[in-house]
Amino acid sequence: ELKVEQNPLFLSMQEGKNYTIYCNYSTTSDRLYWYRQDPGKSLESLFVLLSNGAVKQEGRLMASLDTKARLSTLHITAAVHDLSATYFCAVGGATNKLIFGTGTLLAVQP
Amino acid sequence: KAGVTQTPRYLIKTRGQQVTLSCSPISGHRSVSWYQQTPGQGLQFLFEYFSETQRNKGNFPGRFSGRQFSNSRSEMNVSTLELGDSALYLCASSLELNQPQHFGDGTRLSIL
Repeated sequence: ELKVEQNPLFLSMQEGKNYTIYCNYSTTSDRLYWYRQDPGKSLESLFVLLSNGAVKQEGRLMASLDTKARLSTLHITAAVHDLSATYFCAVGGATNKLIFGTGTLLAVQP
Repeated sequence: KAGVTQTPRYLIKTRGQQVTLSCSPISGHRSVSWYQQTPGQGLQFLFEYFSETQRNKGNFPGRFSGRQFSNSRSEMNVSTLELGDSALYLCASSLELNQPQHFGDGTRLSIL
């Protein structure tokens, strides 16, 4: 059964610092998603990664995928308070069923 | 373009009752999936529907059921509610299978 592990579970960082969230998954998968969730809100799609070596960037966030290592990373550059949220990675296959990671609660302190 | 609409937004029920949650996908989207989010278990897949057919089902008891209508709207039903069913239920839609999914704001179900 496919398992998705994220670490860290909680990340407190200062504004202006860089950090990386890791997402490991246990079996081969077709696609890897990153979502953001603000408290009390729904999931906002950030990135879809479809192939080995895929890299996508949006603002201060950059996601990458290494299918051989079954690893995706979400890198945060020069964090700002507005990035405070919970970030989830999710792995999908041939259907729309997504297996989510545990989530990483990011708190950016001024 | 309207997003995924879930109704109701909040619901309070008591143990043993049943509940029906509704999801209207983005116009033109044919695939609808449901997820349960709890602090303890995180986000877990419930069902996936495409063209009125259930394509996939998560590891939930038979008390959880769903369906999709010809206009792609979907409902999920939970019978004989238990305290552990308290959760945020999220619906997501996509144009086709294997396409990025867009999530609704969810229905927060509380069981007393």
